[in-house]
Amino acid sequence: QSALTQPRSVSGSPGQSVTISCTGTSSDVGNYNYVSWYQQHPGKAPKVMIYDVSKRPSGVPDRFSGSKSGNTASLTISGLQAEDEADYYCCSYAGGYTFDVFGTGTEVTVL
Amino acid sequence: QITLKESGPTLVKPTQTLTLTCTFSGFSLSSGGVGVGWIRQPPGKALEWLALIYWNDDKRYRPSLKSRLTITKDTSKNQVVLTMTNMDPVDTATYYCAHRRDFNYYFGYWGQGALVTVSS
Repeated sequence: QSALTQPRSVSGSPGQSVTISCTGTSSDVGNYNYVSWYQQHPGKAPKVMIYDVSKRPSGVPDRFSGSKSGNTASLTISGLQAEDEADYYCCSYAGGYTFDVFGTGTEVTVL
Repeated sequence: QITLKESGPTLVKPTQTLTLTCTFSGFSLSSGGVGVGWIRQPPGKALEWLALIYWNDDKRYRPSLKSRLTITKDTSKNQVVLTMTNMDPVDTATYYCAHRRDFNYYFGYWGQGALVTVSS
């Protein structure tokens, strides 16, 4: 049960777009359309931003979008804002035995 | 309004058993379609899924920790309990409980987390 692979950090200026990748395998990301993304500010609990690859929960700005191709999922933040600076984690369902697998996490910095 | 809160010891000694309680409100684990999971995060590191229990007592565990973990529910108290045996310093982490709906593959509501330090 290996963690999904994410870049350690990404950065962008306010108003720009950043994309975070999340690479898994054919047993998790590639096999299920159940990828979710969580935002975590320092000292706070994670908050779901995207679920089922590309769906946004109520209240999440439409600047956040998700997609998937093969074994890699992606989170894009458009129109970057200062409050988007946080850690982001992807998570994929991996079947009945392994169940959920989280990513390694990505720190987003707003320059 | 769904809320969850973790409680338990802040410090445990190596080899001891950790018992964490998640007390929740705004939903019932005696009704269908609901689950509560546990996720941990070592200081400065990534999230790690540990276990999940559903309303029908279906339980799932992280394969690498399955022999050390037990998850149970007390529907009368609106609580879910996680026990982890043979604690080691590498188990030092913030432990979160979180709400999940059946057939929904994400955690929509999280507790604030409880930091557990393993040290002699």
